[in-house]
Amino acid sequence: NAGVMQNPRHLVRRRGQEARLRCSPMKGHSHVYWYRQLPEEGLKFMVYLQKENIIDESGMPKERFSAEFPKEGPSILRIQQVVRGDSAAYFCASSPQADTQYFGPGTRLTVL
Amino acid sequence: GDSVTQMEGPVTLSEEAFLTINCTYTATGYPSLFWYVQYPGEGLQLLLKATKADDKGSNKGFEATYRKETTSFHLEKGSVQVSDSAVYFCALRGTGNQFYFGTGTSLTVIP
Repeated sequence: NAGVMQNPRHLVRRRGQEARLRCSPMKGHSHVYWYRQLPEEGLKFMVYLQKENIIDESGMPKERFSAEFPKEGPSILRIQQVVRGDSAAYFCASSPQADTQYFGPGTRLTVL
Repeated sequence: GDSVTQMEGPVTLSEEAFLTINCTYTATGYPSLFWYVQYPGEGLQLLLKATKADDKGSNKGFEATYRKETTSFHLEKGSVQVSDSAVYFCALRGTGNQFYFGTGTSLTVIP
């Protein structure tokens, strides 16, 4: 059973561009969580999704950020019009029934 | 609301020293508690967990006991190795199925 997959592992964008981060949960997992980690800081919860539904997006900025987890395909975290402050590592975690979370390797976003 | 507070680092120990990383929590109901470890450049890996009071989670020589009376879940290891150098995160799963993570404690073990 493959682990949680995230791609790309590294993403470089210029200010104003869009960033799309993908997360494929472990097989059989229907719960997906996205977190942001800034250098030397802990994990900050962003959004919790189940298939086709956003359960909790209280940690996600109201503007420029969106997330989806379609019936087919990976979960996508989308950041529009990126700014330098968006530079961080973004981690996805999946869970079979909202129990233990299994993390992907992360996507490191750098905004120039 | 639910939250986790863990000992600030960084922590530096000599090989074979005893390790304790403190973690306390605030939660309504009966949360599940977790310790995760993050090695440089990688994602978090589950180290151990406990789902109810007095449970002891253990893995790779690490242990933590769910103490409801003190709302704590301290991580311990009797003899650390250089390979244990990493960042350790305490976490809880609340009643709303959301996870709350501590800020992480960096551990460096020197030979």
